[in-house]
Amino acid sequence: GNSVTQMEGPVTLSEEAFLTINCTYTATGYPSLFWYVQYPGEGLQLLLKATKADDKGSNKGFEATYRKETTSFHLEKGSVQVSDSAVYFCALSRETSGSRLTFGEGTQLTVNP
Amino acid sequence: GAGVSQSPRYKVAKRGQDVALRCDPISGHVSLFWYQQALGQGPEFLTYFQNEAQLDKSGLPSDRFFAERPEGSVSTLKIQRTQQEDSAVYLCASSQERGYSNQPQHFGDGTRLSIL
Repeated sequence: GNSVTQMEGPVTLSEEAFLTINCTYTATGYPSLFWYVQYPGEGLQLLLKATKADDKGSNKGFEATYRKETTSFHLEKGSVQVSDSAVYFCALSRETSGSRLTFGEGTQLTVNP
Repeated sequence: GAGVSQSPRYKVAKRGQDVALRCDPISGHVSLFWYQQALGQGPEFLTYFQNEAQLDKSGLPSDRFFAERPEGSVSTLKIQRTQQEDSAVYLCASSQERGYSNQPQHFGDGTRLSIL
């Protein structure tokens, strides 16, 4: 079946540090890949997505590239801010699964000033 | 414009009671999903509607869980004879198109259910 594995957290960084959160997936065919972010007390928000191999999704300074050869979709940001502190979820969906999302366990990011 | 709205935000119930959780999707969205999120975990799929049709309920953990969307808009997730392991955040999401995997899902803020 489909699955998503994220790097274990929590991750603590200083402001302006470089961020990488690793995500690998298992799925047959060509899933769509997503990063969602959950700020404290709020629901999930779509951060970025990529729908085919070598696509790069980007938003708010975050980027992730769909790598089919390594089945990965790592999230990166060159310079994090305190306001980026949140939980980040990698997810995939496939039409043959009714487009439901399969999530990783989430990575808690804390950015200190 | 309004996003996905869920109510109540918090629900406390005694073990054995029945609860009903409501989801108001974005107007015009065809697809509606329910997920369960345990503390410190990623959301897990429960069930999926396309308009009023429940096309997938494979994620519902037991026959105590029941979901409906009778007019293809508002949905209700009902849990009968609640148990402590039902304590979780229940998330509702909607998307515009029917069954296209590249369509983003828009999430509500969730209902935090605590069973005493």
